[in-house]
Amino acid sequence: AQKITQTQPGMFVQEKEAVTLDCTYDTSDPSYGLFWYKQPSSGEMIFLIYQGSYDQQNATEGRYSLNFQKARKSANLVISASQLGDSAMYFCAMREGTEYGNKLVFGAGTILRVKS
Amino acid sequence: DGGITQSPKYLFRKEGQNVTLSCEQNLNHDAMYWYRQDPGQGLRLIYYSQIVNDFQKGDIAEGYSVSREKKESFPLTVTSAQKNPTAFYLCASSADRRNTEAFFGQGTRLTVV
Repeated sequence: AQKITQTQPGMFVQEKEAVTLDCTYDTSDPSYGLFWYKQPSSGEMIFLIYQGSYDQQNATEGRYSLNFQKARKSANLVISASQLGDSAMYFCAMREGTEYGNKLVFGAGTILRVKS
Repeated sequence: DGGITQSPKYLFRKEGQNVTLSCEQNLNHDAMYWYRQDPGQGLRLIYYSQIVNDFQKGDIAEGYSVSREKKESFPLTVTSAQKNPTAFYLCASSADRRNTEAFFGQGTRLTVV
């Protein structure tokens, strides 16, 4: 079964507008972590934001915020005031416990294109 | 500077040959991971290791092998049994806690010729 689902293969947003990238997850572990990464065309992976399963507040990091809805198993990334440099692939990831330790799995990604 | 280093950046392999991708980290991280990424696709977990001399299969381990003889090093061997090895390979490391992000290397692009 898919652990991390990103239903939007691609998104367009106008420069300076906000955009939401969707992510749903599936786990039976009560303690888990959710992450968002950005991958520009260069291929590097850039960490953006983290949300823990027990965190009461939604995480924020500058223009990035995470809309965490635990009951719905949803962890959407919101990018405010989009910039041309935000054009990239975005991945949602989850770290959960297994009998062998913590496993880190990724979704299929969403390509974001910012239009000027 | 602390970081995670993958080498080489580009690698060409003939069909039927084994090839080993290097991954070294000096971040004192316990956990290390190998992922495969195909064009326009997500990252799929090949192997992961939480501790020296121990590692676990991920979702697509067939045709790959790893070792973890040292904490700093987690090399990946792509064997001739891997039917479609051409891909971008990413290595990552992290502290073995759920609230810490993983740090990635720059990746190795493997092409079978």
